[in-house]
Amino acid sequence: TQLLEQSPQFLSIQEGENLTVYCNSSSVFSSLQWYRQEPGEGPVLLVTVVTGGEVKKLKRLTFQFGDARKDSSLHITAAQTGDTGLYLCAGIDGGSQGNLIFGKGTKLSVKP
Amino acid sequence: DTEVTQTPKHLVMGMTNKKSLKCEQHMGHRAMYWYKQKAKKPPELMFVYSYEKLSINESVPSRFSPECPNSSLLNLHLHALQPEDSALYLCASSQVDRGYGNTIYFGEGSWLTVV
Repeated sequence: TQLLEQSPQFLSIQEGENLTVYCNSSSVFSSLQWYRQEPGEGPVLLVTVVTGGEVKKLKRLTFQFGDARKDSSLHITAAQTGDTGLYLCAGIDGGSQGNLIFGKGTKLSVKP
Repeated sequence: DTEVTQTPKHLVMGMTNKKSLKCEQHMGHRAMYWYKQKAKKPPELMFVYSYEKLSINESVPSRFSPECPNSSLLNLHLHALQPEDSALYLCASSQVDRGYGNTIYFGEGSWLTVV
C-alpha cells in the first residue's frame, strides 16, 4: 500500500512569514497534485507536477517534485491571511489502478 | 473550464429515507469518482467509474449505490443510511482513470447529515 507522509500537520504563522509543507513517500508517483480546501468545500486544485525535478510557481507558491518522483514540497512566500486553509498533497500511484493517494493534510493558519 | 458540479450542496435525511446525490461535468472526462470526507480527514475513495463502467468499489456498504447514466453524469443513491454516514461527499473527474500526468478535479461537495 502506498503512503504519502505530509508534514507538518498543523502550522500557525504570522502574516509575511514563509513556510514549507512536505510530502514524502517511499513509492514512485506518476504525478502529484496539491489542493487547497476550505471547510465544507471541495478541494481546489492548485497544481499538478509530473516530471521529476519539476518546479512550478503560482504567484507566491512554489511547488517542487523530487527527482525520483517520490516527494514534493509546497513553499509559500510572504504568507497572507487569505492563504489560511487545508493543504492536501495527493499522488497518483505509478501502478495500474491510477488511484489518488492523499496525504493527511496541513492545516495552515495565517494570523494578521 | 474545469468545473464539476454537485447537487444538492446540503442534504439532511432520515435513516429510512431514499435520496440521491448528483454530479455533472462537461469537460469530456471519462473517469468519475465518489469520495467521502469526514471532518479533519483527507478524502477517502468510494467508487471509480471509467468509461461509464464501475471499475473500483472500495468495499462500500450497499446502502450506497452509484450510477453513471452517461459520460457526463454520476449519481450516488442513498438508502437506509446511518448517522455515521454523515460527511462531505465529493464527486471528481479526470480525463481517464490512470496514466501519466492524469489530474483529478473535485466538485464543491455535498454535505450530508443523517438524522
